[in-house]
Amino acid sequence: GQNIDQPTEMTATEGAIVQINCTYQTSGFNGLFWYQQHAGEAPTFLSYNVLDGLEEKGRFSSFLSRSKGYSYLLLKELQMKDSASYLCAVYGGSQGNLIFGKGTKLSVKP
Amino acid sequence: GAVVSQHPSWVICKSGTSVKIECRSLDFQATTMFWYRQFPKQSLMLMATSNEGSKATYEQGVEKDKFLINHASLTLSTLTVTSAHPEDSSFYICSAAKRLEQYFGPGTRLTVT
Repeated sequence: GQNIDQPTEMTATEGAIVQINCTYQTSGFNGLFWYQQHAGEAPTFLSYNVLDGLEEKGRFSSFLSRSKGYSYLLLKELQMKDSASYLCAVYGGSQGNLIFGKGTKLSVKP
Repeated sequence: GAVVSQHPSWVICKSGTSVKIECRSLDFQATTMFWYRQFPKQSLMLMATSNEGSKATYEQGVEKDKFLINHASLTLSTLTVTSAHPEDSSFYICSAAKRLEQYFGPGTRLTVT
């Protein structure tokens, strides 16, 4: 079956660092994506990992370990506008589609 | 860039009527588009995969006669919700595939009264 797990909610303080974990078990794997979704809006692309290791993009970094079925999204220097849901998605369905986790709602407090 | 638009942004319709939602890739050609549905506080659920020039592939539990998908060109896919019911009220989001990345439209909020 297909299973993607991530924490439901997290809270962090402005200026801090937060790590959002994602574990997956899918029948196929062609990459792992992280998306940010603000309430009432469509997801926006943050990062993509296909090989093991760390990908850095400004304040956001994403890590992948294929052997462990594990990824994390690291957000540095948190800002209030980072309050959103963060979706972990695996690219590996039979149609080449994304399989989404339920998302982690991050609340950034002053 | 890779921009995907959806129209309308929101729609209110009466129970029993049909609603058409358009998804367009504005600056690239997309042989594959995806339609998702998202209920409040839940994740995106894939409804169907739309391939240009062929029939859409529906996920288990999604009625193909109720959710009609047409992918007539490399830049346009449409989703028609037929005989809408209040339980069809949801946020419908399309995405267009460009190589391995998917670019999402802004979503259409459907309310069926």
